[in-house]
Formats: sequence, structure tokens, C-alpha cells
Amino acid sequence: GESVGLHLPTLSVQEGDNSIINCAYSNSASDYFIWYKQESGKGPQFIIDIRSNMDKRQGQRVTVLLNKTVKHLSLQIAATQPGDSAVYFCAENTGGFKTIFGAGTRLFVKA
Amino acid sequence: KAGVTQTPRYLIKTRGQQVTLSCSPISGHRSVSWYQQTPGQGLQFLFEYFSETQRNKGNFPGRFSGRQFSNSRSEMNVSTLELGDSALYLCASTGEGRYEQYFGPGTRLTVT
Repeated sequence: GESVGLHLPTLSVQEGDNSIINCAYSNSASDYFIWYKQESGKGPQFIIDIRSNMDKRQGQRVTVLLNKTVKHLSLQIAATQPGDSAVYFCAENTGGFKTIFGAGTRLFVKA
Repeated sequence: KAGVTQTPRYLIKTRGQQVTLSCSPISGHRSVSWYQQTPGQGLQFLFEYFSETQRNKGNFPGRFSGRQFSNSRSEMNVSTLELGDSALYLCASTGEGRYEQYFGPGTRLTVT
């Protein structure tokens, strides 16, 4: 069935290091991909998105890379801070007014 | 601009009862989606509404239903509650022509 998955369920990084969170998707027809951050007790929060006609997009301290050939998505966080500790979800929009979320990766930032 | 609000934030029900959850989207957003979040299944899509019409639904039993009002506020209802319905129910709104969703804090439902 449809799925958007993650390679690593947990990731632990040192404060100040860069973080890379990976995601594999299965629907090659998806045209829009989004990363969300969910902190404890809160709903997911939009971080950054990318359309399928792009392979890279940068935001403030974050970069999303899309490799359509291998159906892989990654989120890079530069100079990771304790406030970045959260669960990160990749999601894909299939164009049918439906967004499919991955399982999530928990990021731990060590001070 | 106020964010997405959901009420109630916490709810405890017993098996067999029914429950109604409410969601108010960001002002101007007409698309509202609902998700069920559990530790084991992650975020599962329930349904999406736009201008009072359900445009898509996920793979949930008919006990799960929803509706949207003319002011874009939405409700979801779960009838004949089961223990497995215990979850965080999230509502998200989206602006027209956009894909990114803005989530509320969720309603934590516990079924005993």
C-alpha cells in the first residue's frame, strides 16, 4: 500500500553538529513533500516543503533534498540546537486532498 | 492570526459510548483534515473537508464520521467507542491552493 517511511527511528546528535533525517517514499506520482516537527504535547509544525520538480530547497538552518530516482527525501538541520529535539515527520501529498505521513524520527540533541 | 484550535483537549470515555470532537481552522482556511495519532500507527489520515464537502477519506470504519460547517469549523464523531480508539486526534487546516497543513494541539481521547 501507500507508505512514506523513515530509515532511522531515532537520531542522537551533539549540540552544534549537523543533523540529517532520511525518508523513503513509495508513490512516484507524489508531487509535493513536506517536513513537519512535532514537540511533546503539540501538533506537528510545518518546517519546509519541496515540489517534485526541485531537488533542493533551503530554509533557515534547514535544507530538504529530494532524490526522485531512488524516491528518497532528507532533512538537514545545521548547527543543531536543544530546541530542535522533537519527532520529525516526512509527508507526501498525492494530489488527492490527502497527505500521507511517515512513521517519524525522534531527534535527541545532547548538550 | 489565531492558530487551529481543538476542543476538548482531553476526554475520557467508556467503551460503547460516542464522542464528538471539534476543530476551528485558521481564519480563511477552508480545508480541514483529521488524523489519528497512536504510538504504533503514527499519523493516520481520517478525512478531509472543503466547503462542507468531504473530498477524501482514509481507511477507517464507518464509526468514524465528520462534517464541516459553513464557517469551516469541523467536527468528527466516533460512535461505539472501542479501546483501540484511544489516541491523539489531530485537526489541520490548509489555505486554498496550498499543501502545507497547520495543526491544532489535538484532542487526547482515552477509552476505558
